[in-house]
Amino acid sequence: QVQLVQSGAEVTKTGSSVKVSCKASGGTFTTYALSWVRQAPGQGLEWMGRIIPILHRANYAQKFQGRVTITADLSTTTVYLEVSSLRSEDTAVYYCAKSAYSAYAYFDSWGQGTLVAVSS
Amino acid sequence: DIQMTQSPSSLSASVGDRVTITCRASHNIHTYLNWYQQRPGKAPKLLIYEASRLQGGVPSRFSGGGSGTDFTLTISSLQPEDFATYYCLESFTTLWTFGQGTKVEIK
Repeated sequence: QVQLVQSGAEVTKTGSSVKVSCKASGGTFTTYALSWVRQAPGQGLEWMGRIIPILHRANYAQKFQGRVTITADLSTTTVYLEVSSLRSEDTAVYYCAKSAYSAYAYFDSWGQGTLVAVSS
Repeated sequence: DIQMTQSPSSLSASVGDRVTITCRASHNIHTYLNWYQQRPGKAPKLLIYEASRLQGGVPSRFSGGGSGTDFTLTISSLQPEDFATYYCLESFTTLWTFGQGTKVEIK
């Protein structure tokens, strides 16, 4: 059973960048994908993008295209989310989530979430 | 992009009630529809995958149905621990979309 452990909370400034990590333990990167999902305060879940680590192939939701980068380090089984040109609306809890049996299957496990707070 | 519309956005119910939440897709997504439960301050938890398959360890009072564009999540007898927010997620396209969520509150 793969467990996902995310990095700690971040406090950042508008216009800067932030990089959040998600380490997969108890397994190895095989054919599954890892996605990032965010949740602004009091709001719903928003899928941002995914990466298939073994292929280093990433897809992004249109809304985040060009401002978000998802990367993977196979040697440490860690996936990263970098968001640039931060705005106050990016204040949210960011979750990583693992697909089940293939890269495009539903999420069957989640990280604990990382709060990113953006202030001016 | 596929749009996912959940209804209602919130509901009040009592312990023991039967509750049904609906999710409608703007295009045919076959049975690539999944349901998640989220309690305050916690990560979402998978309940139902591929429209009607119960995830291991999830109580049998949860059930899912539908195909194409219209889907339902039913809780047959609401329990205190079921008061939470429920989200549908389509996994048919490459770029996924969640429904906006349904908050189930205590009446």
